[in-house]
Amino acid sequence: AQTVTQSQPEMSVQEAETVTLSCTYDTSESNYYLFWYKQPPSRQMILVIRQEAYKQQNATENRFSVNFQKAAKSFSLKISDSQLGDTAMYFCAQAGGGADGLTFGKGTHLIIQP
Amino acid sequence: DSGVTQTPKHLITATGQRVTLRCSPRSGDLSVYWYQQSLDQGLQFLIQYYNGEERAKGNILERFSAQQFPDLHSELNLSSLELGDSALYFCASSVGGSGRESETQYFGPGTRLLVL
Repeated sequence: AQTVTQSQPEMSVQEAETVTLSCTYDTSESNYYLFWYKQPPSRQMILVIRQEAYKQQNATENRFSVNFQKAAKSFSLKISDSQLGDTAMYFCAQAGGGADGLTFGKGTHLIIQP
Repeated sequence: DSGVTQTPKHLITATGQRVTLRCSPRSGDLSVYWYQQSLDQGLQFLIQYYNGEERAKGNILERFSAQQFPDLHSELNLSSLELGDSALYFCASSVGGSGRESETQYFGPGTRLLVL
C-alpha cells in the first residue's frame, strides 16, 4: 500500500519569503509519480507541479520547485518569493505506474502574511 | 478553469436517501476519477473509469456506485446516505488510462454534499 505523509499541519511566512513544505512517501512501485496540488479557499484542486520518479532532475514551475530525494522517499515543495495568493492547503500526492488513483497526504495549510 | 465540470455544486439531502453526482471530463480525456474529501478521512480515491470501463477501485463503499457513459460523462450514485457521507466529492479526468504513464489528473470544482 502507498502512504503519503505531510508532517506540517500549518505553516505561516511573510510575503516574499521562501517556504518549504515537506512530504515523505512509501511505495513498493518502481515506477511512480509525485504531485503537489494546491487547494485555495475556493476548494478547487489545482496542480502545482509534477515529478516522475525515473527523472533525476527536480521539476520546476516558475516560483515552485521540488527537492526529490528518491532514496529517502522525500518530495518537498519550495515556494520562492511567496505571494498572498499562495495562501492555501497544499497536498502532496502519489500515483503508481499506469493511470490510477492518487494517494494524498493530509495537507499543509500555508498562510502568507502581508 | 480545469475544463472538468461537475453538477450540482451543492446538494442537501436526508439520511437514507439516494443522490447522483454528475461529471463531464475535459474534452479528449478518456479517464474519469472520483474522490471524496472529508474532515476525518481527508482526500480518498474512490473509483476510476476508462473509456466506459471500470479500471481501478479505491475506498468506495458498497452503497456507492459509478458508471461512465458512451459520451464519457460519469455519474457517482450514493445510496442509503448516512451523516458521515457528508463531504466534498471531486471528479478528475486525464487523457488516457491504459498506458504505463501516470497522467496528470485535472480536478473539477467538486460537489458539496450535506446529509442531514
